[in-house]
Amino acid sequence: QQPVQSPQAVILREGEDAVINCSSSKALYSVHWYRQKHGEAPVFLMILLKGGEQKGHEKISASFNEKKQQSSLYLTASQLSYSGTYFCGTLPNTGNQFYFGTGTSLTVIP
Amino acid sequence: DVKVTQSSRYLVKRTGEKVFLECVQDMDHENMFWYRQDPGLGLRLIYFSYDVKMKEKGDIPEGYSVSREKKERFSLILESASTNQTSMYLCASSFASSYNEQFFGPGTRLTVL
Repeated sequence: QQPVQSPQAVILREGEDAVINCSSSKALYSVHWYRQKHGEAPVFLMILLKGGEQKGHEKISASFNEKKQQSSLYLTASQLSYSGTYFCGTLPNTGNQFYFGTGTSLTVIP
Repeated sequence: DVKVTQSSRYLVKRTGEKVFLECVQDMDHENMFWYRQDPGLGLRLIYFSYDVKMKEKGDIPEGYSVSREKKERFSLILESASTNQTSMYLCASSFASSYNEQFFGPGTRLTVL
């Protein structure tokens, strides 16, 4: 039920790009993305809905492939402030239980 | 600003004790959630509630119960704490629509000795 994220961890230099993937075994209604900095609570980044509607962060983009039940988060020109653990959260088409993924640790170094 | 508060940041309890974790939100959200966070396992849903006195089991409800007597408050209860319940517990809330983001509290780090 829990979506699988890849990679588990990534280290970038400032200015580099990264892609984080989220894959579910269930048909999805929506995908959420959150970032958690060390010692802090997760913070919302973006929601993607079935049908292509999006709501979220201006500087971070994401895609949602409904047929493949996958979402990807694109972080471009990374900054030190992008460091943290990124979680996807999924809401299936059927049922109302929300599932978070296992997380991707992203570290941006100077 | 939406605020979700949790009763304690750190808690140490002994095996067999009954433990109460409290969560309060001030934005009139319908939905409230309890998660536990463990390294490598991400956030796992314990229980959620979409209305007062309503609750639904998440992925890992065993050993836990919840109470939602008022809209703004959602309590997580460990009936008889065990060492494998040592974890970070996060509360979250959101409006009813699935289009809406979840707002998280700061978390409670529970250690069961």
